[in-house]
Amino acid sequence: GAGVSQSPSNKVTEKGKDVELRCDPISGHTALYWYRQSLGQGLEFLIYFQGNSAPDKSGLPSDRFSAERTGGSVSTLTIQRTQQEDSAVYLCASSLRTSGARYNEQFFGPGTRLTVL
Amino acid sequence: AQSVTQLGSHVSVSEGALVLLRCNYSSSVPPYLFWYVQYPNQGLQLLLKYTSAATLVKGINGFEAEFKKSETSFHLTKPSAHMSDAAEYFCAVSAFDSSYKLIFGSGTRLLVRP
Repeated sequence: GAGVSQSPSNKVTEKGKDVELRCDPISGHTALYWYRQSLGQGLEFLIYFQGNSAPDKSGLPSDRFSAERTGGSVSTLTIQRTQQEDSAVYLCASSLRTSGARYNEQFFGPGTRLTVL
Repeated sequence: AQSVTQLGSHVSVSEGALVLLRCNYSSSVPPYLFWYVQYPNQGLQLLLKYTSAATLVKGINGFEAEFKKSETSFHLTKPSAHMSDAAEYFCAVSAFDSSYKLIFGSGTRLLVRP
């Protein structure tokens, strides 16, 4: 596709349920990031993938959060036993890995708005 | 550790007035800095980035930013605000580790008055 896509755009769930959020990065982008945007915490890094491996998971807030990436493309962020404090917009971004990777642009998807009732 | 501070959670300007959004960074190594814009219910879009090639960086939509090492600042400016500039603006620094994850400031919401 032309850009990063995410689904669903909105998700309302009940406390204690599991949710899966999907990200389709730009074709050819080997780096993929998940961020969370919430009122109290701003924009926070969650996890980074290079290919299918996740060398940096330092931003995952608890063991209820997990993510995987398959085929070096699609990524799924899973939140188990959701809590109200998980309500936020979850943003995915992808990027090329070139020699100047530290300043390569990250292209963001529109996000998934998660509401936990 | 690296960090970014944005002064002013809300900035209000009149249409046609100068836009100035402030960003200060903290970094023990030469930083790579970014400004992103977020329109309502959309993802983030890159406005411009500083990669040490030039201290004055020009971006899209008439925005520019100047890197000032002595002041550890990377303020965003636009000479004349348009109504369409109303959005939230985020300053970010690229982490100095192999992830190159972005570390964001808290954001500044720009309001443009007619």
